[in-house]
Amino acid sequence: AQSVTQLDSQVPVFEEAPVELRCNYSSSVSVYLFWYVQYPNQGLQLLLKYLSGSTLVKGINGFEAEFNKSQTSFHLRKPSVHISDTAEYFCAVSGGSNYKLTFGKGTLLTVNP
Amino acid sequence: EAGVVQSPRYKIIEKKQPVAFWCNPISGHNTLYWYLQNLGQGPELLIRYENEEAVDDSQLPKDRFSAERLKGVDSTLKIQPAELGDSAVYLCASSTHRGSGEQYFGPGTRLTVT
Repeated sequence: AQSVTQLDSQVPVFEEAPVELRCNYSSSVSVYLFWYVQYPNQGLQLLLKYLSGSTLVKGINGFEAEFNKSQTSFHLRKPSVHISDTAEYFCAVSGGSNYKLTFGKGTLLTVNP
Repeated sequence: EAGVVQSPRYKIIEKKQPVAFWCNPISGHNTLYWYLQNLGQGPELLIRYENEEAVDDSQLPKDRFSAERLKGVDSTLKIQPAELGDSAVYLCASSTHRGSGEQYFGPGTRLTVT
């Protein structure tokens, strides 16, 4: 079985400030990790993914995430956020021969002027 | 490249009525998923198709929900009869590589049952 915990349900920040959205996972097998973003009234869009190799993964819109196997974490970061980054962010895990994508409950990032 | 298409985008029905949602995946994507997303929650898988075969429907409430993907391309998800608790967003996704889990999502259908 696998699970995802997003530690913050809401993160308010000011424009141009750095942000970190936290994600921890549990799985009994090797995992693939993902961050998706969901803008209001839209579907989910893939931000970035970790499949193997370098533990620092860069994605779209200036986001990056670091896979930490010992801490079972995959935190999402951006050094300077924009108003347009306001959205819901979902961390997800997929493991082993099990295709299944398990999502966290999401973190609402609100960027204020 | 066209994305995953879903219709309708919004649907309001009275309880006990039937409802159907349609999804057309990205061309060439053999795997299709239907998810349920409740307010303030992440998506939860209802059913997964590999071509026309439903390979995982363990989370689909089969007493009232059904799905089909007859020609291995587009798919329909049906609820009959709908209950108040079915109010949610129904998302469709597709992928080419089952193992990596990278999925592409449609905009969803927001269902309101009154």
